[in-house]
Amino acid sequence: GIQVEQSPPDLILQEGANSTLRCNFSDSVNNLQWFHQNPWGQLINLFYIPSGTKQNGRLSATTVATERYSLLYISSSQTTDSGVYFCAVTANRNNAGNMLTFGGGTRLMVKP
Amino acid sequence: EAGVAQSPRYKIIEKRQSVAFWCNPISGHATLYWYQQILGQGPKLLIQFQNNGVVDDSQLPKDRFSAERLKGVDSTLKIQPAKLEDSAVYLCASSPWTGGGFTNEKLFFGSGTQLSVL
Repeated sequence: GIQVEQSPPDLILQEGANSTLRCNFSDSVNNLQWFHQNPWGQLINLFYIPSGTKQNGRLSATTVATERYSLLYISSSQTTDSGVYFCAVTANRNNAGNMLTFGGGTRLMVKP
Repeated sequence: EAGVAQSPRYKIIEKRQSVAFWCNPISGHATLYWYQQILGQGPKLLIQFQNNGVVDDSQLPKDRFSAERLKGVDSTLKIQPAKLEDSAVYLCASSPWTGGGFTNEKLFFGSGTQLSVL
């Protein structure tokens, strides 16, 4: 099946700093989503972004489908940004669609 | 809009016992998923339903796990008998996807059921 690798695995930031999280995938995809899992375990959908660029407040994401990677940018980080960020994809060859394969996540801690 | 509801929030059982989890998706969402998340890992898909039919259950350990969505709305996931390695968070998700083309099909997750098998 498709492989999804995220980097870095762990990241510690000072409040106000910017960061870039990366997601590499091994096959062409028709669905790519970024999630934030807060310290209480709730998974929140940040972006649906199989290609192109989107922005939502301090967060933005870019997917370059032809090169099989996606980037999540966090600007002016806040302590509430702490948690685990997951990238999840569905391979094009998956005819049933929308069955997401998750990466291992990037664990972010933002210090005050 | 109400989110995906799951219960119970926590469950502790001994190995070889049975356990069941319940999920009620967002109203109108045709597709429902069960994921298993082991500590320190990303969620892994166990089974996907579209309405009351199974789309994919290739990663469901069918010798001990079963799931149903009889009326195409809420769903139950059962483990019988449980093993120590089943300790994990079981997440339910739903999406409005009804098959066919790939449009803006975000997944929405419930808070999960944390299972500890002793």
